[in-house]
Parts: sequence; C-alpha cells; structure tokens
Amino acid sequence: DAGVTQSPTHLIKTRGQQVTLRCSPKSGHDTVSWYQQALGQGPQFIFQYYEEEERQRGNFPDRFSGHQFPNYSSELNVNALLLGDSALYLCASSLAPTETNYGYTFGSGTRLTVV
Amino acid sequence: QKEVEQNSGPLSVPEGAIASLNCTYSDRVSQSFFWYRQYSGKSPELIMSIYSNGDKEDGRFTAQLNKASQYVSLLIRDSQPSDSATYLCAARNTNAGKSTFGDGTTLTVKP
Repeated sequence: DAGVTQSPTHLIKTRGQQVTLRCSPKSGHDTVSWYQQALGQGPQFIFQYYEEEERQRGNFPDRFSGHQFPNYSSELNVNALLLGDSALYLCASSLAPTETNYGYTFGSGTRLTVV
Repeated sequence: QKEVEQNSGPLSVPEGAIASLNCTYSDRVSQSFFWYRQYSGKSPELIMSIYSNGDKEDGRFTAQLNKASQYVSLLIRDSQPSDSATYLCAARNTNAGKSTFGDGTTLTVKP
C-alpha cells in the first residue's frame, strides 16, 4: 500500500523564479491538503483540494496556486519566489473533507530553499 | 491568540516516566483533535485522534479531551528515548476539511 509520495525532495531556487511541487496521495485517499512548515513552527495550511476543486484556502497570497488531477494527485505552484518562501512543504492526504474524525497521512515533504 | 496553543518546551523526562503534553484551542466549533509526532527532519506522523470528551488509550499513549475547557492532552507512559520528538496538536471543526496545528512541544526522553 503506497503512502504519500512527494517530489522533489529538495529544491533550490532563486528569488523571482517559479516552482512546482508534486504529490500523489495514499491509495484510497481522495483529498490533498498542502502545508508550509517553517523551522520551529507548526504546519500552516495553504489550501485543500477535493474533487479537483480548491475547497479551502489559508492566508497565503495568490502566488500560491494548485491543482488536483482526476487521479487525485496534486501540484502546488509558487510564483515570484521570495526568500520567505523557504520552508518544508508538506502534502497531506486524507479521506473526503466530511470525514472530520480521520487524520492526515503526510508525505516526506519538499524542502524548498530560495536564495 | 493562536487557534491552537502548545507549550514549546523543551519537555525533558527520564526514561520510563510519564510525559504529559498539553494543548488548548480557541475555536469552540472544533470537533476532532489529533496528535502527530514529528522527528527532527522528518514529516509528521499521526499518533492519536480523539473527538469525544474523556480518555482514549492506544498502547502507551492516552489522549484526553475536555471540550468545556477547550483542552486536549497526550500522555505517554513508560517513555522511551525513541519517543524524543516534537509533538504537534491539531484541531478540525465539522465545517472545515483542514486541520489547524499548534507549533508543537519538543519532548526529550533521557536514558
């Protein structure tokens, strides 16, 4: 049973560039949430995708966008990178948003460094 | 005020002791609560979930929920050095698919 797969593992980008992170959810899961985790802080919610639609969004600028594909995999795109975007980006897969008692399965994360 | 608050620690306990981790939340419509363990440099891993008032036990772990006090806790019995990690508390309300996380409590279990 495959877990959550994220790629790439590490990424170094220059300010102003654009980046795409990818996630394949755990088998049987259809909802993907993206989180940003800065060092020493808890994960901060970026957005959630279900049925190929963005269902919820956190307090992140429009530079952060995403997509969900028919096979439930998802992409996170960040445009016009800033130094402050350097963080660990976590993909969390789960059952449908109505399954509120069901927790997340996280991928191993993508460590993004903006220089 | 953060929606989910945890003592940052570090919390240090000797091997074999009980570690007690606490979490408070501000959103009264939060219904489900989760504890995740995160080892340094790794991603979070779900340990326990709880959504009814009272205690829920799973092996050496016991989660406690008091909705009136808006308080969640995690007890780790017979703590082991391998339990040394950051423990994240998360809350989810029935209207939201997202979970809101605290900043975590760092636990160190000393041999």
